[in-house]
Amino acid sequence: ELKVEQNPLFLSMQEGKNYTIYCNYSTTSDRLYWYRQDPGKSLESLFVLLSNGAVKQEGRLMASLDTKARLSTLHITAAVHDLSATYFCAVYLQGTGNQFYFGTGTSLTVIP
Amino acid sequence: KAGVTQTPRYLIKTRGQQVTLSCSPISGHRSVSWYQQTPGQGLQFLFEYFSETQRNKGNFPGRFSGRQFSNSRSEMNVSTLELGDSALYLCASSLWGQGPVSGANVLTFGAGSRLTVL
Repeated sequence: ELKVEQNPLFLSMQEGKNYTIYCNYSTTSDRLYWYRQDPGKSLESLFVLLSNGAVKQEGRLMASLDTKARLSTLHITAAVHDLSATYFCAVYLQGTGNQFYFGTGTSLTVIP
Repeated sequence: KAGVTQTPRYLIKTRGQQVTLSCSPISGHRSVSWYQQTPGQGLQFLFEYFSETQRNKGNFPGRFSGRQFSNSRSEMNVSTLELGDSALYLCASSLWGQGPVSGANVLTFGAGSRLTVL
């Protein structure tokens, strides 16, 4: 079974600082997704990474994928309070139907 | 464009009862997946339906079942509820399996149904 690990699980950072969330997975996959979940809300799609070396950026968030290392990163630049949420990575494993394996989630709190 | 709609949003049941949750996908989406979210286990895949057929099933007991109707709406049922079934149940729809446009296969989630079992 595919294992997806994120670290850190909890992250508290000050506004204006930079940080990176890591997502490691155990089986070869060339598709990785990042989602955001606000407290009490559903998941919102942030990025879709479809190939090795893919990089996507939206505002203060940038995601990248290294399929050889089985690693994706979500980099936060100059954090602001609005980025406080839980971030999940999800890996799609071809051949299993439309099944996604989600990471444990990283709960991010940005302190003013 | 309407999003994924789940009903009910909140419900409280007692052990031994059964529950049915409903999901209406985005118009045009034929793939509907269900996930269970708990603080301890995170997000776990329950099953996925496409054109009224269950294509894939996660590692859950037979008490968890689902179905999909011809209009792509889906229901999931949990029988003989246990305390551990308390969770947020999320439904997601996508275009997966519907041709080249489905390549990115992004899941769009509903707001969820929060089930509490007492």
